[in-house]
Amino acid sequence: QSVLTQPPSVSGAPGQRVTISCTGSSSNIGGGYDVHWYQQLPGTAPKLLIYGNNNRPSGVPDRFSGSKSGTSASLAITGLQAEDEADYYCQSHDSNVSGYVLFGGGTKLTVL
Amino acid sequence: EVQLVESGGGLVQPGGSLRLSCAASGFTFSDYATNWVRQAPGKGLEWVSVISGSGGSTYFADSVKGRFSISRDNSKNTVYLQMNSLRAEDTAVYYCAKLASPLRLFDALDIWGQGTMVTVSS
Repeated sequence: QSVLTQPPSVSGAPGQRVTISCTGSSSNIGGGYDVHWYQQLPGTAPKLLIYGNNNRPSGVPDRFSGSKSGTSASLAITGLQAEDEADYYCQSHDSNVSGYVLFGGGTKLTVL
Repeated sequence: EVQLVESGGGLVQPGGSLRLSCAASGFTFSDYATNWVRQAPGKGLEWVSVISGSGGSTYFADSVKGRFSISRDNSKNTVYLQMNSLRAEDTAVYYCAKLASPLRLFDALDIWGQGTMVTVSS
């Protein structure tokens, strides 16, 4: 069981908006550590999608956005497209975890 | 082009050893920490280890502490993951990933390699 909790799956129709939550605690997200998000398309390596809670690397469409509040963070995807179907992972750091680096369990996004 | 290429994966018996390599190009290698992250078949991402750009600081997940070691040769732009006393539960694709910010140990991972498969089985 991951210290950062994500829903196992979410789904949405093309054009819709979906959100993926990442719930932590006071020793990680709530402790001020940044949250980062990754997209993993089937059979490929993860790709950085959002860094520092709400920043997009160059080349990531502005349909993707991140936010953080208290002990949780969220990834929002608007204008859902078929190519967005993938696994999404949040990542942060934890003062109580050996090595300090942790990932959420991942969320499978299905585009209906 | 910034790139990471892993190698060294394969089939190994339980209790055996394997050394993975991560060759980097396209950036000032010694300025950036490098992480290893693994993914068991059908499972999520699991952070394994990190080494600072200088090699002076290293951290490990509890699941591999005492069995895995990490090192780097900045003259060869390469990071190594030495895996000893391998177990079936170490079976996974192993990715190396570059830290997004220089001279830091913890941050986002902005560049990932393609991964190398490690299978621990008799």
